[in-house]
Parts: sequence; C-alpha cells; structure tokens
Amino acid sequence: DGGITQSPKYLFRKEGQNVTLSCEQNLNHDAMYWYRQDPGQGLRLIYYSQIVNDFQKGDIAEGYSVSREKKESFPLTVTSAQKNPTAFYLCASRAGIAYNEQFFGPGTRLTVL
Amino acid sequence: GENVEQHPSTLSVQEGDSAVIKCTYSDSASNYFPWYKQELGKRPQLIIDIRSNVGEKKDQRIAVTLNKTAKHFSLHITETQPEDSAVYFCAASILTGGGNKLTFGTGTQLKVEL
Repeated sequence: DGGITQSPKYLFRKEGQNVTLSCEQNLNHDAMYWYRQDPGQGLRLIYYSQIVNDFQKGDIAEGYSVSREKKESFPLTVTSAQKNPTAFYLCASRAGIAYNEQFFGPGTRLTVL
Repeated sequence: GENVEQHPSTLSVQEGDSAVIKCTYSDSASNYFPWYKQELGKRPQLIIDIRSNVGEKKDQRIAVTLNKTAKHFSLHITETQPEDSAVYFCAASILTGGGNKLTFGTGTQLKVEL
C-alpha cells in the first residue's frame, strides 16, 4: 500500500473550522489530484496539479484550496466556505504526460459536526 | 464539460455467470476510458483501460468494449468469482498535454453470490 499516503484516515471538525488534509507520494509523480467521493455520486474532481507551483480548479473547487510547493506533497484545505464538507476525500497521482493511470491514496473520511 | 452515466447502479449475479456494466459519455473528444474497482473500505484501483483508437481490450476474465459512434463503453467480467464483489467505476478523459482530468460515473455495486 505504499507510494501515496493520506493522513489522517478519519478526521472530525466542528462546523466553521478550516481543516487541511495531507497527501504525500514517493513515486516521483508529476501530477496530483484531489477527488471527493459521496455515496451514489462517484468521484468528483476538486483540484489538480500537473507540476510544482501550479494547480487548476476541477469541477467542484468552491470552498477548497490547495498548494503544490513540493513535488511529493499536495495538501487540500477544506474551508468554512464549503457548504457540505462531510465526505470521503481521495488523493491520486500520475507519473507524467506519457502515462495515463492515476494511483489513489487510501483516503481521508472527513466528518464535520 | 464531460458527463458520464453508468448503469446499473447495483448488479447481483451468481458465481460463474457474466456481468456487464455500461457507461455513456457526452464529449466526443474523450479518448481515454479507464475502469476502477473499489473494494469496501479500500482505494480505487485501475483494472483495465482503453483508448479511443481501439474497439476492444481483454485481460484474462475482464474486457472492455468501446463504441465511439454511440459514445458508450462497457465492462465485461466473465466467470465471476466472490472476490469480484466491489464497486466499479467507469471514467472518461481527454488525454491532453498533462491534465488527464477524469470524469467518473456514479458506480456499480457488483455482488457475486455463491
């Protein structure tokens, strides 16, 4: 299960608090992604980054922010502006332009009380 | 943007039978179609993928077919086994210079009964 890790596995926060989810990979992959998974809705793209110091919004970026200061790290901050933050968050990485497969981390289940 | 629809949402088969999951996509520019398997409590894992220049691809008991004209693709699992029980997601993407943004279907819960 190594390669791409997410921490913590479970996270509880009070409404109105910002929270940062960690994603680290030691695969030397160029691209990294954040998805949100809700029951019956599949995976939806929040943000993605193709290279260090660059990232783009996905389909549901509102209320989230990211940074990509290091190749191996792509943290996601869930802000208080996200109206329904309780969900399962998955991070993924991809080797580079010539490679198609995205490898997923184990996920973080965020519950906002 | 791209929209991917997946059917059925749940599928129950007897061990040894075949299972078929179907997906349609909306953007004719999509050219990469992966399938992911997610077991309960685990991360999604790629099981097979197909590019738009190919009509069919097989890997042991699983196969994927693509009909570009109709904009639909299907996953076929033969001789199903209990360990095939999981949620399966299809996805579509346009392979560009670096983005490869995946749009996922809503998933199919496959249950293989003994």
